[in-house]
Amino acid sequence: GNSVTQMEGPVTLSEEAFLTINCTYTATGYPSLFWYVQYPGEGLQLLLKATKADDKGSNKGFEATYRKETTSFHLEKGSVQVSDSAVYFCALFSGGYQKVTFGTGTKLQVIP
Amino acid sequence: DSGVTQTPKHLITATGQRVTLRCSPRSGDLSVYWYQQSLDQGLQFLIQYYNGEERAKGNILERFSAQQFPDLHSELNLSSLELGDSALYFCASSGVESYTFGSGTRLTVV
Repeated sequence: GNSVTQMEGPVTLSEEAFLTINCTYTATGYPSLFWYVQYPGEGLQLLLKATKADDKGSNKGFEATYRKETTSFHLEKGSVQVSDSAVYFCALFSGGYQKVTFGTGTKLQVIP
Repeated sequence: DSGVTQTPKHLITATGQRVTLRCSPRSGDLSVYWYQQSLDQGLQFLIQYYNGEERAKGNILERFSAQQFPDLHSELNLSSLELGDSALYFCASSGVESYTFGSGTRLTVV
């Protein structure tokens, strides 16, 4: 079956540091890949997505590239801010959104 | 506003009781998914409905049940509640190009 593996957190960074959160997946077919963010006390919000190999999703300074050869979709940001502190979930969608698999989430804490 | 509406936002109830959580999907979305998020267990998929029919089942306890009505809203029923059922319960709805979460219901069992 499908699976998503995320790096374990928490990840603690200083403001303006470079962020990478690793995500790898196992899936049949041609899934779409998503990153969601959950700020404290809130629901999950779509951060970015990529629907086919070599696509790059980007939003709010975050980006991730769909790498089929390494089955990865790592999340990166060049300079994190305190306001980026949240839990980040990698997710895989296949079968026309009828099958959804989430990673376990990675908590990011950014300190001033 | 994500377009997915969950009510109530907060619920406090006693052990042994039964509660119903409600979810209205985004306009046009046919699928509804329910998740449980506990402090130490991440996001657990419970169940999915598509256009009124159960499509997939995850780690849903027998004390829990759900249904999707003709107007596509869904209800999650939790019965014989235990302290360990305290969690955030999210629903999400999906369409062709989207997968959107509601803001959740925080259930506290005392």
